[in-house]
Amino acid sequence: GDSVTQMEGPVTLSEEAFLTINCTYTATGYPSLFWYVQYPGEGLQLLLKATKADDKGSNKGFEATYRKETTSFHLEKGSVQVSDSAVYFCALSGGDYKLSFGAGTTVTVRA
Amino acid sequence: DTGVSQNPRHKITKRGQNVTFRCDPISEHNRLYWYRQTLGQGPEFLTYFQNEAQLEKSRLLSDRFSAERPKGSFSTLEIQRTEQGDSAMYLCASSLGAGGINEQFFGPGTRLTVL
Repeated sequence: GDSVTQMEGPVTLSEEAFLTINCTYTATGYPSLFWYVQYPGEGLQLLLKATKADDKGSNKGFEATYRKETTSFHLEKGSVQVSDSAVYFCALSGGDYKLSFGAGTTVTVRA
Repeated sequence: DTGVSQNPRHKITKRGQNVTFRCDPISEHNRLYWYRQTLGQGPEFLTYFQNEAQLEKSRLLSDRFSAERPKGSFSTLEIQRTEQGDSAMYLCASSLGAGGINEQFFGPGTRLTVL
């Protein structure tokens, strides 16, 4: 079945550091890929998405590229801020519509 | 657009009691999903509806779990004879469906604590 594996955390960074969270997936067919973010005390929010190979999703300075050859969708941000502290989830949606999530990566950014 | 809402936000119950949660999706969305999230894990799919039809329910955790969406609008998730292992965050999401990329919008969740 469909599954997502993402980098274990927690990750602690200083402000303006570069952030990468690795995500790889297993799926049949051509899934859509997503990154969701959960800020402290808040619900899940869609951060970015990509629907086909080589698509790049971007939002709020974050980027991720759908790499079919490596079955990956790594999340990157060039310069993090304290406000980026959150839990990040990689997810995929295959033909059966449900989202399959990774376990989440907790990111803490220190001033 | 008020987003997906869920009630109650928190529920504390004693083992063996029944609980029911409500989800109101974004008004024009025809698909509605239920997920469960335990501490330190990503959400786990439970079931989903397209309009009033429940199209996938094999992932419901046991026969104590059931969900309805009687008029294709709001949905309820019921857990009968609760157990301590049912303690978790229960999330509802909705999407526009009809093909596309199935972008799901999540509610704030209902946190269940079973004593």
